Amino acid sequence: DAGVIQSPRHEVTEMGQEVTLRCKPISGHDYLFWYRQTMMRGLELLIYFNNNVPIDDSGMPEDRFSAKMPNASFSTLKIQPSEPRDSAVYFCASSFRNTGELFFGEGSRLTVL
Amino acid sequence: DQQVKQNSPSLSVQEGRISILNCDYTNSMFDYFLWYKKYPAEGPTFLISISSIKDKNEDGRFTVFLNKSAKHLSLHIVPSQPGDSAVYFCAASAFGNQFYFGTGTSLTVIP
Repeated sequence: DAGVIQSPRHEVTEMGQEVTLRCKPISGHDYLFWYRQTMMRGLELLIYFNNNVPIDDSGMPEDRFSAKMPNASFSTLKIQPSEPRDSAVYFCASSFRNTGELFFGEGSRLTVL
Repeated sequence: DQQVKQNSPSLSVQEGRISILNCDYTNSMFDYFLWYKKYPAEGPTFLISISSIKDKNEDGRFTVFLNKSAKHLSLHIVPSQPGDSAVYFCAASAFGNQFYFGTGTSLTVIP
């Protein structure tokens, strides 16, 4: 079975550009999470969805960040405009019934120059 | 204001010995705790969990201990193997809401 699929795996962009990260959760999972990993803060929850509806976006750092889940099999995390401090690895994860057993994708490493 | 803290960024252990990874939390409402393991260039994978109604949960070589009064949990790996070398994250939640992760501890098991 396919796991959580994220794209792109690596993204290098210049400050001010728009960045879109994509995620396909595991089929049948009803929760989807976006995390950001940094050395200082570890894995930070940015936003999570239940049945495609955003439940908690309090972790989204600024208005420059937005996330959507138009259907059960696709989600995007957008940063516009991007800044160097946004450089991090962004993980998407999904789960069934929010049991805590999250299935993570391989991550998207973002570098903003 | 990290609610889940892993104060040791790294740990080195000899193969065959015990690895003990520690985690502290501040929110007394947390009732479910998990450990995740992460290899380079991969996403974290679930390892073991424990509910606040227990103080110990064991799965093969992995045991998690919970001390609610101290707001502390630990992961014991016995015996440690080179394949256990990875970053370990602890996570906690309250009432099935969002999961808060620590900053991770990088474990190196020396052959």
